Amino acid sequence: AQSVAQPEDQVNVAEGNPLTVKCTYSVSGNPYLFWYVQYPNRGLQFLLKYITGDNLVKGSYGFEAEFNKSQTSFHLKKPSALVSDSALYFCAVRGQSNDYKLSFGAGTTVTVRA
Amino acid sequence: GAVVSQHPSRVICKSGTSVKIECRSLDFQATTMFWYRQFPKQSLMLMATSNEGSKATYEQGVEKDKFLINHASLTLSTLTVTSAHPEDSSFYICSATGGQGEGQPQHFGDGTRLSIL
Repeated sequence: AQSVAQPEDQVNVAEGNPLTVKCTYSVSGNPYLFWYVQYPNRGLQFLLKYITGDNLVKGSYGFEAEFNKSQTSFHLKKPSALVSDSALYFCAVRGQSNDYKLSFGAGTTVTVRA
Repeated sequence: GAVVSQHPSRVICKSGTSVKIECRSLDFQATTMFWYRQFPKQSLMLMATSNEGSKATYEQGVEKDKFLINHASLTLSTLTVTSAHPEDSSFYICSATGGQGEGQPQHFGDGTRLSIL
């Protein structure tokens, strides 16, 4: 079985401050990890993924995420948040098998205030 | 690249109507497509997985006769909500993956807001 936990329903930060959205996962074997962002009434947009290799992954719009195997975490970060980063963020995981099904976290609503 | 188009974006119809939603991969061949349902301020609930040319695999609790899925080509999957009722009102989202290369992400359509009166 595979699962994702996003412990924070909401994250509020001021524009220009660092942004962190937390994610921990559980999966058999090595994971594929993903972050997606969803704006109101839209589908999910892919931000970044971890497959293997460097633990620090860089993605779209200045976002990055750090894979930590010992802590089974994949936290999303942005050094300087923008008001336009306000959205719903989902972490997702799947095991390295032929089954492409993802397990999603409950989502974290990010609000960046001007 | 990796664009998924979902149509229509919004449907409002009377109870008892059947509604078809299309999901197309525009610039890649989608070996596998997924259909999700999302309730307000909640995560995505996987309804079914469809592979081109074969029957869809439904998740537990999803009625296959209610939610008909067809994946007739490598670029098109359709979800038909048959005899829709108000409880079927929801946001439906499709995704697709090309399946080539390690750790390919799912690419999502923009969703369909279904409202049954």
